[in-house]
Amino acid sequence: AQSVSQHNHHVILSEAASLELGCNYSYGGTVNLFWYVQYPGQHLQLLLKYFSGDPLVKGIKGFEAEFIKSKFSFNLRKPSVQWSDTAEYFCAVTFYGQNFVFGPGTRLSVLP
Amino acid sequence: ETGVTQTPRHLVMGMTNKKSLKCEQHLGHNAMYWYKQSAKKPLELMFVYSLEERVENNSVPSRFSPECPNSSHLFLHLHTLQPEDSALYLCASSQDRGREQYFGPGTRLTVT
Repeated sequence: AQSVSQHNHHVILSEAASLELGCNYSYGGTVNLFWYVQYPGQHLQLLLKYFSGDPLVKGIKGFEAEFIKSKFSFNLRKPSVQWSDTAEYFCAVTFYGQNFVFGPGTRLSVLP
Repeated sequence: ETGVTQTPRHLVMGMTNKKSLKCEQHLGHNAMYWYKQSAKKPLELMFVYSLEERVENNSVPSRFSPECPNSSHLFLHLHTLQPEDSALYLCASSQDRGREQYFGPGTRLTVT
């Protein structure tokens, strides 16, 4: 079965630290890739997406992600986090244009 | 953001009650989804409607019954639920399956 894994369950950083959240998926076919964020008490919001082209994609709020096909990975990065980035982050993958498979999420806590 | 709305936002129901969750999307999308979000578990896809036809039902118990009367509205009818059905129920929509999904704020359901 297709699956998505996220390396870290909970990440704690200080403000201005750099962030990298890992995401790997299980299948090597045609994929679309996404990162979503869920701020406390808010709904899931799309941070960025990759369909094709440049494997380094930029999203909102200074986030970016890099698709490495050979590693089945789509890691999320931000050079300098802020307290307001405290949230839960979900990686999601569609395989052959079908339904989303979500990762289990990574909770990010940024200390002021 | 009012692209996808859900009502009610909170619902408490007994195990013998019948209730319905409503979702409406104002984005002109042709696919709609129900997800279940429980604590410490990945998002679970429950139902998918594409062009108003149900295309996927991920082994969801029959006490959950979806309805999609048109491309803008999606319902989830609930009856004889169990306490373990308590969760956040999320609705989402997309322009074609495999494209980015836009989520509503969810209905927090508590079954007593």
